[in-house]
This record gives sequence, C-alpha cells and structure tokens, in this order.
Amino acid sequence: GAGVSQSPSNKVTEKGKDVELRCDPISGHTALYWYRQSLGQGLEFLIYFQGNSAPDKSGLPSDRFSAERTGGSVSTLTIQRTQQEDSAVYLCASSTFKLPEQYFGPGTRLTVT
Amino acid sequence: QKEVEQDPGPLSVPEGAIVSLNCTYSNSAFQYFMWYRQYSRKGPELLMYTYSSGNKEDGRFTAQVDKSSKYISLFIRDSQPSDSATYLCAMSASAAGNKLTFGGGTRVLVKP
Repeated sequence: GAGVSQSPSNKVTEKGKDVELRCDPISGHTALYWYRQSLGQGLEFLIYFQGNSAPDKSGLPSDRFSAERTGGSVSTLTIQRTQQEDSAVYLCASSTFKLPEQYFGPGTRLTVT
Repeated sequence: QKEVEQDPGPLSVPEGAIVSLNCTYSNSAFQYFMWYRQYSRKGPELLMYTYSSGNKEDGRFTAQVDKSSKYISLFIRDSQPSDSATYLCAMSASAAGNKLTFGGGTRVLVKP
C-alpha cells in the first residue's frame, strides 16, 4: 500500500519567510510524528498527534514552529520567520495507536538562505 | 552526554562479511528498540523491532537487546553492496504515543 508522503521534497526559502511542509500519513494510522534531521543534531522529535487528543509539542524548538492535523489525517508543519539554523530535513512518520513501529516519509529538505 | 550513543563509523566491510552494529543507552525506561536503514537522501526504513531483552531474527538480520547492560546490536549476515547505508537505532519507553529517541547513525559501506 501507499506509504507516508511528504511535500515538497525540497524547499529553498529566504531568511525571514514562512514555510509550510505537508505530510500525508499511511491510511488508517492514527498517530503522526514530525522529526527534524540535521548534521549536527541527528534525528530529533518535534511534535506528535494522536487522534483528537491534544498534540505533544514538547520537541518544538521555538514558538516559530507550529503544526496542525486536520481531520485526523494530513498534517502541516509551519515555520515562521525562518532562520538559517532551521535548514534541515523534516521527516514525518505515522504509526497505529497500539504499536511502537513508526514508518517514515521521504522528508522535506529545507534550505534557508 | 546523549541518551543514545552510536559509533558514527564509517564501517567498511567486504561483501559477504557479517556487519555488526551496536548502540548503548542510558535511559532504563526504554523498552522498545528499533533499527532503521537510511539511504542517502531518503527517509529511514524500519528493519527490525524488538521488545525488551532477547533476540529476533528476520532473514539476514538479527537484533539483540541486553537491557541489563543497556546495549543493543544488529547483525547483518552475508552483507551485500546494497546494504551500504546509514543504520540508525531508535528506542522508546512505551508502545505507542511516545517519541523515538535515535542514535546518531552508523554509516556502513559494503565493498564488492
């Protein structure tokens, strides 16, 4: 079946601009996660959604980062007033509620110039 | 010190050799352990998942968990050039609804 999809695959933006990254989880997966992967920091958790529960935002690095999940499916990660240190690969993952295995999308490579 | 430590490599082996990868961790609450393979410019791909201590085998892959030592391993038998990738260990404290904590990844190169 279809895996996790993300768009765009690459995004180049100027410092100070806002960006939106999209994630489409595997059909039927109720849990959705965002991670960030950068050279110096490895793979870091950002935010987690489960059904209609309040999201776990404990990994968001600043209030410039926000995310929403509409209709329990598609999610959008928004970064406002982008900074050069935001340059990284943003990865989305989904899982069923009862199992710990998370399945990742291909990522969005964000470059802030 | 990071919660999960992983030798970054690179680890270079000849085709057909056994690849041995490992991670150490400090958080005793971790109970679920995963290994991911990541090719360049691709998302991580789940290889193996193990709960608590013990061994698990899947084809050429064997995962081992020793919770008493806070040490996990992945062995790849009969390695192929297509196994050349970065291998990431990941772990969590609960079955669901919990973030994964990753090691930094080990780069593996299998030479024909």
